[in-house]
Formats: sequence, structure tokens, C-alpha cells
Amino acid sequence: EDKVVQSPLSLVVHEGDTVTLNCSYEVTNFRSLLWYKQEKKAPTFLFMLTSSGIEKKSGRLSSILDKKELFSILNITATQTGDSAIYLCAGSNAGGTSYGKLTFGQGTILTVHP
Amino acid sequence: EPEVTQTPSHQVTQMGQEVILRCVPISNHLYFYWYRQILGQKVEFLVSFYNNEISEKSEIFDDQFSVERPDGSNFTLKIRSTKLEDSAMYFCASRLTSGRARETQYFGPGTRLLVL
Repeated sequence: EDKVVQSPLSLVVHEGDTVTLNCSYEVTNFRSLLWYKQEKKAPTFLFMLTSSGIEKKSGRLSSILDKKELFSILNITATQTGDSAIYLCAGSNAGGTSYGKLTFGQGTILTVHP
Repeated sequence: EPEVTQTPSHQVTQMGQEVILRCVPISNHLYFYWYRQILGQKVEFLVSFYNNEISEKSEIFDDQFSVERPDGSNFTLKIRSTKLEDSAMYFCASRLTSGRARETQYFGPGTRLLVL
């Protein structure tokens, strides 16, 4: 059974801190690793990673994938209160006709205090 | 920016009733998905749909569930006889079938279903 595990489950920091969120995965026919931010309702897309060692960046957020260790991290530098959310990691498979089913982790709840 | 839309945002129903959740995927997307998230739990895959047929379904997606693309824009999830444990947030997602961004699924705002 496919499995995605995130750590820590929750994190409380102050504005300006840097955080690292972790994601390990075991996904059959793994194709890519996606990060989403979930605030009130829908997960909103952050990054998709398919190749090891290539960092993706968007502003203060960055992410990298290690396909040998089956691991990804999401970094947020200079955190702001608006970064408070649940961060979801999901593995995408590429098996047969099920191209792209996402298996989600349980999420990391990030709380940023002023 | 195009987005996935879902209606209704909230639905309350009695156990045993049928519900239909509606989604309008992004217009040039051809792969569609339903996921659900029970309060406090993980987002779980239900079903994927392509070319007017189910391409994969999870164990959760039993005979009480069905999906349909009744026209060129809507994608629906029907639960024939709701159970208390069907109470959850239901998300629709869609993605492209080609191009570099084809593996990225975009999610709608969800329908919160409460079965009493």
C-alpha cells in the first residue's frame, strides 16, 4: 500500500524563523512529489518535483526531492503569519491507467506567531 | 486564472438519501478526480476519470458511489444512499494530459457533506 509520512505533525514558530518540513514516501510507480498549502479549504499547489537534487523555489519557499532516500523537504524562510496553514505532501504514481493518483500525507500544521 | 469550481459548498442530508456533488473542472483539463477528507484525517483518493470512464478507484469507492460527466463542463459525484461515515469534505481536482505541468492536479474549494 502506498504511504506518505510527514513530519513534524505540527510546528509553532515566530515571524522571521526558518522552517523545514519533511516528507517521506513509498509510492508504487512513483512519478512526482507535490506540495500543497491548505488554509481554509482547497489545497493550493506549491511545487511539483520529479527529479532528484533540483531545488525549486518560489519566493521564500523552496523544495527539493531525493529519489534515492524517498524523501522531500519544504523550506520556508523568513516566515510570516500568512504562512500559517497545513502543508500537504503527496506522491503521484504513473501506473497504467492510474496516471496521477495522489497519495497524501497527514500534513504539517504550521503556526506562525507575530 | 482558471480554477476548479464546486457546488454546493455545504450540503446537509439525512442518512439514506442520495446526494450529487458537482464540479466544473478547468476547461482544457481532461483528467478528473474526486478526493475526500474526513475531519482531522488525510486527504484520500476516491476515483479518477478520463475519456468518459473511470481509470482507477479506491476501496472507498464502492457501489454506492458513481461519477459522471453529463456534459462538456460538469463532473459529478453521486452517493446513492448516504451513511453517517460519508460525512467529509469532498474535493474535485483536474489536470492536463500533456505538457510539463500535466502532473499537477488543481483542486476545487470542496463540498462539505454532513450526513445526519
